[in-house]
Amino acid sequence: ELKVEQNPLFLSMQEGKNYTIYCNYSTTSDRLYWYRQDPGKSLESLFVLLSNGAVKQEGRLMASLDTKARLSTLHITAAVHDLSATYFCAVDRGTSGSRLTFGEGTQLTVNP
Amino acid sequence: EAQVTQNPRYLITVTGKKLTVTCSQNMNHEYMSWYRQDPGLGLRQIYYSMNVEVTDKGDVPEGYKVSRKEKRNFPLILESPSPNQTSLYFCASSLIGGPGELFFGEGSRLTVL
Repeated sequence: ELKVEQNPLFLSMQEGKNYTIYCNYSTTSDRLYWYRQDPGKSLESLFVLLSNGAVKQEGRLMASLDTKARLSTLHITAAVHDLSATYFCAVDRGTSGSRLTFGEGTQLTVNP
Repeated sequence: EAQVTQNPRYLITVTGKKLTVTCSQNMNHEYMSWYRQDPGLGLRQIYYSMNVEVTDKGDVPEGYKVSRKEKRNFPLILESPSPNQTSLYFCASSLIGGPGELFFGEGSRLTVL
């Protein structure tokens, strides 16, 4: 059974600081996704990581994938309040995103 | 506008009263799926469909049914709802053969009394 664990589950940080969210998973997969969810809202795709060593960046967020270590990271640079949200990683054990197992989510609060 | 539309968005019902949550997408996606979101558990897959007339169980299918008679629609049916099906439900779709990122609906919050 595939298990996906995120760390930390709750993160409170100050604006301007850097931090990393970790996503560990228990079985082999080459596809990993990061999603963002604002309170009371739907999920929005942030990154799609499709191979070992993949790195994607968008604004203050950067995601990477190490399939050998079964680890993905979401790095936040110089956080701003607008990044406050819950972030989920999801690992695909099917094809083309058909069987995603989600982590519990990391609730990020960025304080002024 | 490309979107996944769910209805109803909010519903309070009683144990045993059959209900259907509809899901429709306008992106011509082959793949559609239902997830439920519960605090501390992330999202868990209920059922998914790779194309019309092709459906399969996800991780938590008990108590649910689905059908895929048309490409754009993928309704979720609760034949006899129970309180443990109180949850936030999301429908999602994607293009098969693409990167696999899911496009989610806005969610349906269901309460079963």
